[in-house]
Amino acid sequence: DAGVTQSPTHLIKTRGQQVTLRCSPISGHKSVSWYQQVLGQGPQFIFQYYEKEERGRGNFPDRFSARQFPNYSSELNVNALLLGDSALYLCASRSGTSNEQYFGPGTRLTVT
Amino acid sequence: QKEVEQNSGPLSVPEGAIASLNCTYSDRVSQSFFWYRQYSGKSPELIMSIYSNGDKEDGRFTAQLNKASQYVSLLIRDSQPSDSATYLCAVNGGLNQAGTALIFGKGTTLSVSS
Repeated sequence: DAGVTQSPTHLIKTRGQQVTLRCSPISGHKSVSWYQQVLGQGPQFIFQYYEKEERGRGNFPDRFSARQFPNYSSELNVNALLLGDSALYLCASRSGTSNEQYFGPGTRLTVT
Repeated sequence: QKEVEQNSGPLSVPEGAIASLNCTYSDRVSQSFFWYRQYSGKSPELIMSIYSNGDKEDGRFTAQLNKASQYVSLLIRDSQPSDSATYLCAVNGGLNQAGTALIFGKGTTLSVSS
């Protein structure tokens, strides 16, 4: 079975631009969470979606938004990019019956 | 502010030795505990989950949980150079809106020398 997939792998944007990151969960998983990981730190929780509804939001500004589609894939949008948004963005997939979360390969975002 | 604390390391052990990684957490109502392994430039990989007090063994890995002390540990027996990575402790299940959101420590870097 395919694991969690994310696209694109790498992305370079300039300050002020907008970016959309995509994630497809493991087949049969209905929950997707997004995390941001900066160098030297553990991942930080951004959003969680379950059955297409937002179930949680971390301490991130309103420039960050997300949604989940009927096929359970998800998008993370970041507007008005800042240099500090440069990070590895991780998507995690979870079935509805377990708390175990499985990460995709991530999208490396560089803001210049 | 819910926190998960880990020693950043590096923790250096010789090949074949036992590596012991430790983690403490602040939220007493946390219910689920996880260890992830992250190789440089890669994403975290789930290696162990533990939900109740005591030990849980999976191959060369043993997770230990003590909820009274708010302490989780990971033992790696017969350490191999391929175990060299950053190990992330993660906790969830607190009484917040996103009950399954993971809170991570900063990770402990393990180096196994041959």
